[in-house]
Amino acid sequence: AQRVTQPEKLLSVFKGAPVELKCNYSYSGSPELFWYVQYSRQRLQLLLRHISRESIKGFTADLNKGETSFHLKKPFAQEEDSAMYYCALDSSYKLIFGSGTRLLVRP
Amino acid sequence: GAGVSQSPSNKVTEKGKDVELRCDPISGHTALYWYRQRLGQGLEFLIYFQGNSAPDKSGLPSDRFSAERTGESVSTLTIQRTQQEDSAVYLCASSSRVGGDQPQHFGDGTRLSIL
Repeated sequence: AQRVTQPEKLLSVFKGAPVELKCNYSYSGSPELFWYVQYSRQRLQLLLRHISRESIKGFTADLNKGETSFHLKKPFAQEEDSAMYYCALDSSYKLIFGSGTRLLVRP
Repeated sequence: GAGVSQSPSNKVTEKGKDVELRCDPISGHTALYWYRQRLGQGLEFLIYFQGNSAPDKSGLPSDRFSAERTGESVSTLTIQRTQQEDSAVYLCASSSRVGGDQPQHFGDGTRLSIL
């Protein structure tokens, strides 16, 4: 079955600390993976996608097919990174979302 | 418009009533998606439309749920004989076309509460 798992509901770090939000997936085939973010009182929006191999707002995510993971990382967290983060898998054009991780960056 | 627009933003209704939720996609976007998000959970795919192709209804949870789209514009999601488990935020998204390389742009959602 196709599935996305985000094991942490809440991740709390201090400003300047490294951040890693975990995402594991189950998919038969070549996966297309995304990270979406929802800041307080804003809409859900795309943060980055693995096919672009880009860094957005200092975040990167590497697809590891061996470990079926797509963890989101940032070396130095900022307070404005506090938000809800969702990992998503494209499955025949529809997205399968994980349950999300709330990142709280403390001053 | 500037983005995906959904209405109403909030809807409270009694169990057993029918509800209709509306989504206006970004102009020119041929693909439109509906998702449901229950409290504390991730988004759950319901249905998508792509141009004039038959919609993918594989995520609709029961025959009480239906959706229509007029051409490449407005879509309505209808829930008949609502149940308490239908309480959720219903999100609409659009993209320029279906495909993993096309980001989905989300609306603010409709928060549905069934009493």
